[in-house]
Amino acid sequence: SQKIEQNSEALNIQEGKTATLTCNYTNYSPAYLQWYRQDPGRGPVFLLLIRENEKEKRKERLKVTFDTTLKQSLFHITASQPADSATYLCALDTGNTGKLIFGQGTTLQVKP
Amino acid sequence: GAVVSQHPSWVICKSGTSVKIECRSLDFQATTMFWYRQFPKQSLMLMATSNEGSKATYEQGVEKDKFLINHASLTLSTLTVTSAHPEDSSFYICSAAPGLDTSYEQYFGPGTRLTVT
Repeated sequence: SQKIEQNSEALNIQEGKTATLTCNYTNYSPAYLQWYRQDPGRGPVFLLLIRENEKEKRKERLKVTFDTTLKQSLFHITASQPADSATYLCALDTGNTGKLIFGQGTTLQVKP
Repeated sequence: GAVVSQHPSWVICKSGTSVKIECRSLDFQATTMFWYRQFPKQSLMLMATSNEGSKATYEQGVEKDKFLINHASLTLSTLTVTSAHPEDSSFYICSAAPGLDTSYEQYFGPGTRLTVT
């Protein structure tokens, strides 16, 4: 069956360190993968989209990699800050239709 | 940037009544909008795709007669939960994309918290 898994439910790191979140998927061949941030009681906020022909994408302190052979995406936040504390979701469009399948999310806690 | 709003942000209703949730794209037109549901400590689950000018398409297991979707214009989609029951209590979130290209980022509304008593 098709599955998207994010490596851990929770990740605690110290301020200033790099947070690395993992998203693995099976039985998909997505054309692109997206990462979102969700704060409690709020809708997800789009962060980055990476296409299947892109290995890496950056936006300010964020970096995403996409390995279609390993079927894995890594999401990095460098120089992390307490304000980065939130739940991060990866999402795939399985049929290039805009219909997204979400991972269960990783809740990041950055301690000062 | 692209902004999507939802109204109301929260609603409490009695079992057996109907509730309408609005989703609006404020600064762009959206041919397609999506409705998701999120239960506590779970991820978002796609319920249906709302298409302007045509019928919505529902995901497997979602009752189309219970969750009525109307995409009245290129900036408005509504979700009506009919004959609501306590198990329908959830966080309902809509999303829309500003482009026609299917390979695009989506912008999500802030969500509507529905509580059925």
